[in-house]
Formats: sequence, structure tokens, C-alpha cells
Amino acid sequence: NAGVTQTPKFRVLKTGQSMTLLCAQDMNHEYMYWYRQDPGMGLRLIHYSVGEGTTAKGEVPDGYNVSRLKKQNFLLGLESAAPSQTSVYFCASSLDSMGQFFGPGTRLTVL
Amino acid sequence: AQSVTQPDIHITVSEGASLELRCNYSYGATPYLFWYVQSPGQGLQLLLKYFSGDTLVQGIKGFEAEFKRSQSSFNLRKPSVHWSDAAEYFCAVGRSGNTGKLIFGQGTTLQVKP
Repeated sequence: NAGVTQTPKFRVLKTGQSMTLLCAQDMNHEYMYWYRQDPGMGLRLIHYSVGEGTTAKGEVPDGYNVSRLKKQNFLLGLESAAPSQTSVYFCASSLDSMGQFFGPGTRLTVL
Repeated sequence: AQSVTQPDIHITVSEGASLELRCNYSYGATPYLFWYVQSPGQGLQLLLKYFSGDTLVQGIKGFEAEFKRSQSSFNLRKPSVHWSDAAEYFCAVGRSGNTGKLIFGQGTTLQVKP
């Protein structure tokens, strides 16, 4: 089992560019999450999904969109990147409320 | 409001010394509690979790944590720290039936002196 994987690992964007981050899990988990991690702020939930075809807003959803067309994949999109979106992005998945499994992260820099 | 507080942003201990990382939470419902560890450049790994029952829980890598409802705390401990324990540690709280969402503390960075 690969667990949770994220693509790409690193990315540099210019302000206004768009991109999509891909998260994939092979554990048949229903729930998936996107977080951003910034120094001194812990992890903040951007969006999450409770199943295929469903998405919901988290704590900091502005500037991001998500899609869950397949159960194993959860995509995070930035339509028009801003320097404030420079961060490390983590995807996680869980079967229930018993704990989340995290991917290795994507380091995004917006110039 | 629901929140998790890790009072210590940075802790330094000597190798072989004992460790205690503090975590306090504010949560209306009966909480599920977690500790995660993040090594530099890595994702988060689950160390241990508490749902119910025995308030002292054992985790991986020799860590344990004790749930104290009266103090709203879930402190992480290790009797003897190894250099490889240097990392960032996150406390998190959730609850049953809440779509698995967690609230994370700001993290505590552990430095281990040789």
C-alpha cells in the first residue's frame, strides 16, 4: 500500500497562474482533507470531503476549489495564485473519526 | 469555541532525559485526542490516540499520553529521549461522527541536545 500520495512535491508559480494538486489514497477511505501548514499556525483545514462527489469548506477555503470525482482522489485547485498561498499543503484521509493518515506534502511558492 | 493549545512552542532536552509536551483543549463534546509527529520535510505520523477507557495510552516509539478530563489536558511523555525524536509534535482533537475532522494545535518543536 502506498497510503496517501501527493503530486507534485514542489511547485513554483507566478501570481495569477493556476494549478491543481493531486491527492490519491489506496486505503478505501471515505473521508479526505486538504490542509495548509504555515509557520507557527499549525495545520488549517482548507476543504474536505465525506465521500465521492461531495466536498465542504473548512477553516480557510477562500481562493481554493476542490473536487472528488473518484473515491480515491481529491484535487485541490488554485485558480489565480497569490503570494499569500505560499505554503506547504498536506492531504489526509481517514476511514472514520479514529485518526487521519497524511501524505508527504507539497511545497508551493507563489512569486 | 473549540481549540487546542500547545503552550510550548519550542523545547530543548538532553538526550536520555525525560520529556513532557503539554496539550490543553477546549471542546464541548467528549473529545477524541491525538498526537502526531512531523519530522523535517515529512508528513504527519500518528503517535497515539485516545477515545475512551484507560486514560493512559501507549503509542509508537516509546511515547505515552495521559488524558485528564478535569484539566482538559492530554500531555505527551517519553521517559528517555533519543536524538531521533527531534521533530515537531502536534496535538489534535476530534469527536465521533464529525466527519473525522480534527482541530490541531500550533505545534511544539523538540530539539535534542547530545
